[in-house]
Amino acid sequence: AQSVTQLDSQVPVFEEAPVELRCNYSSSVSVYLFWYVQYPNQGLQLLLKYLSGSTLVESINGFEAEFNKSQTSFHLRKPSVHISDTAEYFCAAMNSGYSTLTFGKGTMLLVSP
Amino acid sequence: DAGVIQSPRHEVTEMGQEVTLRCKPISGHDYLFWYRQTMMRGLELLIYFNNNVPIDDSGMPEDRFSAKMPNASFSTLKIQPSEPRDSAVYFCASGGRTHGYTFGSGTRLTVV
Repeated sequence: AQSVTQLDSQVPVFEEAPVELRCNYSSSVSVYLFWYVQYPNQGLQLLLKYLSGSTLVESINGFEAEFNKSQTSFHLRKPSVHISDTAEYFCAAMNSGYSTLTFGKGTMLLVSP
Repeated sequence: DAGVIQSPRHEVTEMGQEVTLRCKPISGHDYLFWYRQTMMRGLELLIYFNNNVPIDDSGMPEDRFSAKMPNASFSTLKIQPSEPRDSAVYFCASGGRTHGYTFGSGTRLTVV
């Protein structure tokens, strides 16, 4: 079964600084990878996804993630964060051929002025 | 597209009462999922449906929990009887394999 590890439960960072949220998954069998963001009192919103092709995927609000098969990682990065990026971020994986997503425990990104 | 619609947004009930949570998935999505989120356990998949048929309910914690999907546009999650440890945010999501999921805004359940 697939498992997803997000090592950092919280990442504090100052506004305009770069950030990396780490995600590792357990199986290198053909896998689809996702990042979701959850703002307070809201549901999860899809931020970006990797299905195949280019290993670098980008979101519309400046986040990017790189699929690294050899390290079984899918870290999320942003070169300059804003206060409004404060939220919880969930990494998720799905083995191709299945339908269920396995979520990590989430990383709370705290952006301060 | 109104997205995945869940009701109610908040529910406070007394222990022992029946609770019914509702979900309207996005039209055309053939998968529907029920998740529970708590601080202690994070996001847990309770059950999911494909084309209205329950596929895997191994995440349903106890017989007190049941879920139905009578048609492609409606699903319910019922807890009977409810207990304080059922307090959580319950999310419904719809979608499919390569789409990722679209989540509803959730129902915050408090059992006192």
